[in-house]
Amino acid sequence: QVHLVESGGGVVQPGTSLRLSCAAAGFTFSSYGMHWVRQAPGKGLEWVATISSDGNKKYYADSVRGRFTISRDNSKNTLYLQMNSLRAEDTALYYCAGPTTVITTYLKYWGQGTLVTVSS
Amino acid sequence: SYVLTQPPSVSVAPGQTARITCGANNIGSKSVHWYQQKPGQAPVVVVYDDNDRPSGIPERFSGSNSGNTATLTISRVEAGDEADYYCQVWDSTSDHPVFGGGTKLTVL
Repeated sequence: QVHLVESGGGVVQPGTSLRLSCAAAGFTFSSYGMHWVRQAPGKGLEWVATISSDGNKKYYADSVRGRFTISRDNSKNTLYLQMNSLRAEDTALYYCAGPTTVITTYLKYWGQGTLVTVSS
Repeated sequence: SYVLTQPPSVSVAPGQTARITCGANNIGSKSVHWYQQKPGQAPVVVVYDDNDRPSGIPERFSGSNSGNTATLTISRVEAGDEADYYCQVWDSTSDHPVFGGGTKLTVL
């Protein structure tokens, strides 16, 4: 059974940093692309970042490019999101989701999310 | 970037058919996926690749996709279908998923 478990969220001040983690189990993590998707309170789903199976290709939403970094450790079956220079508008529930391939382009599995609140 | 447009809300009486649209330029050339999200829960795929259903999703959920519009159809709507629904495609030029703005389905 597939499990995605996010951690690392919390309440932080604007301008600070936070690192999210997503522990994956139940599938061959190293074979698939993975994603971070966020949802601000009362709002819709917003794609944040994508990483290829080998970690060599990374893609970011314009709203986070230059501030956030997605990475993965395939030896630990873990996905990361390093968030720097946080802003109030980054406040959201952050989901880890996947897995995807060039053929399977839907996000079949989602974690329960980790809440990030940016407030002074 | 590729933009998916959904109506903010759709209302339907129990037992009737709900249709939720997802509009975009030539969306018929892409595979469209649909997610259901109930309050306090993570999204769940209800239709993928235009009209396939994951195991455990009732046959009442179906999809179609042609031209500039994809549609999620929910037949014989039940109170438990009340949720937010999101369409999603893959942006092959930028290699990432794209989501529609979401539609709140209200069962009257």
